[in-house]
Amino acid sequence: DTEVTQTPKHLVMGMTNKKSLKCEQHMGHRAMYWYKQKAKKPPELMFVYSYEKLSINESVPSRFSPECPNSSLLNLHLHALQPEDSALYLCASSRPGGAQFFGPGTRLTVL
Amino acid sequence: KNEVEQSPQNLTAQEGEFITINCSYSVGISALHWLQQHPGGGIVSLFMLSSGKKKHGRLIATINIQEKHSSLHITASHPRDSAVYICAVIPTGNQFYFGTGTSLTVIP
Repeated sequence: DTEVTQTPKHLVMGMTNKKSLKCEQHMGHRAMYWYKQKAKKPPELMFVYSYEKLSINESVPSRFSPECPNSSLLNLHLHALQPEDSALYLCASSRPGGAQFFGPGTRLTVL
Repeated sequence: KNEVEQSPQNLTAQEGEFITINCSYSVGISALHWLQQHPGGGIVSLFMLSSGKKKHGRLIATINIQEKHSSLHITASHPRDSAVYICAVIPTGNQFYFGTGTSLTVIP
């Protein structure tokens, strides 16, 4: 299995909602990443988990809360988002220093 | 200043043409990636390079570590090659620095 899966594919939420994005991989990768990508821009790194511990947090607002419950799963909990948070959220995984495998992304729209 | 610069930003080619996309970076790196992203889609890793040259089908990637430069070449381009191509470097650890991307359109 050489795939990173993300659910849901699309999400529309209001500014008062709480929702979660899910990412899963079964390649034995111990590094997992969340990226945010706006239209026509490269991905921006949000968080990196290494061996299930948060190793990088790129000054992301607290309305985004990551969680890595085990080595295969990565969640991104969303609460009180703003319309400018609408974007494609990409998950990736890798061996340390290795090629990153990206998921298909979750297209998030905040109303 | 972005640590990773790509050129050109936009490229339109006729089917069958040879295409080159360039990437220059300003930091020391352990590896460089070339990524492909189709419109609205996820990202596919094409190559990971730390030296020399790699080839996969019609795609060729080269890197010159001393000059801090890499190129992605597409031979016999096809409309299905239309995508955004992103160069990303790994200075240390796990973190990527991304280039701004090159949007390629191949016209039949």
